Amino acid sequence: GENVEQHPSTLSVQEGDSAVIKCTYSDSASNYFPWYKQELGKRPQLIIDIRSNVGEKKDQRIAVTLNKTAKHFSLHITETQPEDSAVYFCAASIQEYGNKLVFGAGTILRVKS
Amino acid sequence: GAGVSQSPRYKVAKRGQDVALRCDPISGHVSLFWYQQALGQGPEFLTYFQNEAQLDKSGLPSDRFFAERPEGSVSTLKIQRTQQEDSAVYLCASTWGSWPQETQYFGPGTRLLVL
Repeated sequence: GENVEQHPSTLSVQEGDSAVIKCTYSDSASNYFPWYKQELGKRPQLIIDIRSNVGEKKDQRIAVTLNKTAKHFSLHITETQPEDSAVYFCAASIQEYGNKLVFGAGTILRVKS
Repeated sequence: GAGVSQSPRYKVAKRGQDVALRCDPISGHVSLFWYQQALGQGPEFLTYFQNEAQLDKSGLPSDRFFAERPEGSVSTLKIQRTQQEDSAVYLCASTWGSWPQETQYFGPGTRLLVL
């Protein structure tokens, strides 16, 4: 079945620096790749997503890149702020019913001020 | 409008007890998903409904887990004879339709602790 690997598991950056989180997936048929942010004890919140017909998408300080050939995608956060501290999960879709997602194990991002 | 809601938010059960977890999706959302999130891990798929039809239950870990959505809106995840390994956060998510690339909106989860 589909497998999503996420790295690193923890990431500490200084406020204002950039953070990059990388994920790889195994199912070449996957075509939807969302990123969720989860604060402690809270629900996962979608922050950005990308579909397989584009290679990059940007929303203010957040960007996602997709390399379908290599089957990997990355989250880039620029000018990090303390409120960016959270756990970030990548996910990849499975081509079955609906929009079944397989999630990575998560990255704990700490932004030090 | 209101987002996805779940109840109870916390549940402590004794081993062997049955529990029922409720999910209220966003009004009008066709698709509903249940996930299990163990501590320090990403959500893992359990089951999927399109309206009242359970189209995929491949992620349910055992026959002690049962989910239903009889009227195509509210869903209940039932765990019979709970075991300690069932301790986790159970997340519900919904989408407007059934198109494969739709955004999934998550509820706050039910944190289940089995003693």
